[in-house]
Amino acid sequence: DTAVSQTPKYLVTQMGNDKSIKCEQNLGHDTMYWYKQDSKKFLKIMFSYNNKELIINETVPNRFSPKSPDKAHLNLHINSLELGDSAVYFCASSQVSQNNEKLFFGSGTQLSVL
Amino acid sequence: GENVEQHPSTLSVQEGDSAVIKCTYSDSASNYFPWYKQELGKRPQLIIDIRSNVGEKKDQRIAVTLNKTAKHFSLHITETQPEDSAVYFCAGSHGTYKYIFGTGTRLKVLA
Repeated sequence: DTAVSQTPKYLVTQMGNDKSIKCEQNLGHDTMYWYKQDSKKFLKIMFSYNNKELIINETVPNRFSPKSPDKAHLNLHINSLELGDSAVYFCASSQVSQNNEKLFFGSGTQLSVL
Repeated sequence: GENVEQHPSTLSVQEGDSAVIKCTYSDSASNYFPWYKQELGKRPQLIIDIRSNVGEKKDQRIAVTLNKTAKHFSLHITETQPEDSAVYFCAGSHGTYKYIFGTGTRLKVLA
């Protein structure tokens, strides 16, 4: 009964391919996020969704398309993968409406683009 | 734009000594400052947080201090242990949907 779960844990693929990462949270939170952690360990927000609505898009290339079918799920689809997309992608959730900003992270997806 | 600077990038201490990590934020609207610990290959996890109406908060061996005027906040770990070795991230947010994380500090506690 992991709070924030994302799949797959590892993703190895060729340049130019399209791939998806799935995320689900069972905490009843209203906000979900995608973060990218590069090889230098920098954590950068990519997207945030509140109740299925896109709130933040941090100048991420439009090859990245998040989709939130309901507030418990936030999936990330990446088209035409590039070498520079290699990183660890973390999904996270929080309950912003109750002024409880604590982020709960998923276990991460290590994406390697060859 | 919004920015959180974090220093040092790496820190080595002897077991039992104290460790201090410092952050500076630029967005004066920030009112929530969490600290996350990320062990090797694991997810970041919250270890302590502080709100802008509080100057200091302690939880056993860890403490956080906040100087709103100077826009500085710091993490203090006393009596360090090998299991404290990890990457630590500070962050700032103003209650909306966006954290700005610092660049991380790799702490090594030498036995």
